[in-house]
Amino acid sequence: SQELEQSPQSLIVQEGKNLTINCTSSKTLYGLYWYKQKYGEGLIFLMMLQKGGEEKSHEKITAKLDEKKQQSSLHITASQPSHAGIYLCGADTSTGNQFYFGTGTSLTVIP
Amino acid sequence: EAGVAQSPRYKIIEKRQSVAFWCNPISGHATLYWYQQILGQGPKLLIQFQNNGVVDDSQLPKDRFSAERLKGVDSTLKIQPAKLEDSAVYLCASSWGLAGGLNTGELFFGEGSRLTVL
Repeated sequence: SQELEQSPQSLIVQEGKNLTINCTSSKTLYGLYWYKQKYGEGLIFLMMLQKGGEEKSHEKITAKLDEKKQQSSLHITASQPSHAGIYLCGADTSTGNQFYFGTGTSLTVIP
Repeated sequence: EAGVAQSPRYKIIEKRQSVAFWCNPISGHATLYWYQQILGQGPKLLIQFQNNGVVDDSQLPKDRFSAERLKGVDSTLKIQPAKLEDSAVYLCASSWGLAGGLNTGELFFGEGSRLTVL
């Protein structure tokens, strides 16, 4: 069953604008991972968060994990067309050793 | 280092036919995952192996899908007979350890095998 909910489902922004994608779990997460997928291609790892309150940045992308380790946000600053794609959160859940993905957020950046 | 290899990249079959996908994980990775990704949705875990043992196959439609990982390295995923709703991208991924374990790290994905069932 799907344990991770992402919002929004899709996003269209003008180049240069900031945006945020959210990932919410009903259960405590051992680890939260963000991936990016371009159409027809495999998933590319972006970041991993494991500690409550943790925040990581890579170039213009920042990801945070809340203190309760049930919600994460991905923030892109000054978006570019190269940021376009599908963003997926993935997680180790407390129910076992399985690794599940969220529902995905499709991002379009208009030049 | 070589990445996760999958084949074939594309396959078109008619319903009720059979198909097999192959995955070669990164050398040394103990855990191997097969996901099904239907257009517009996130990947759904079908089966997860730790070495050559199954960790989780609760979402694998066992009446038509089967998977094996002989010798704890390569893996094959088979669908027989295929249905229209099986049209999807089948993603293989590998990692050092079990999710939730100390050595999980990230999952490394292959480019996927796109299946179209007519």
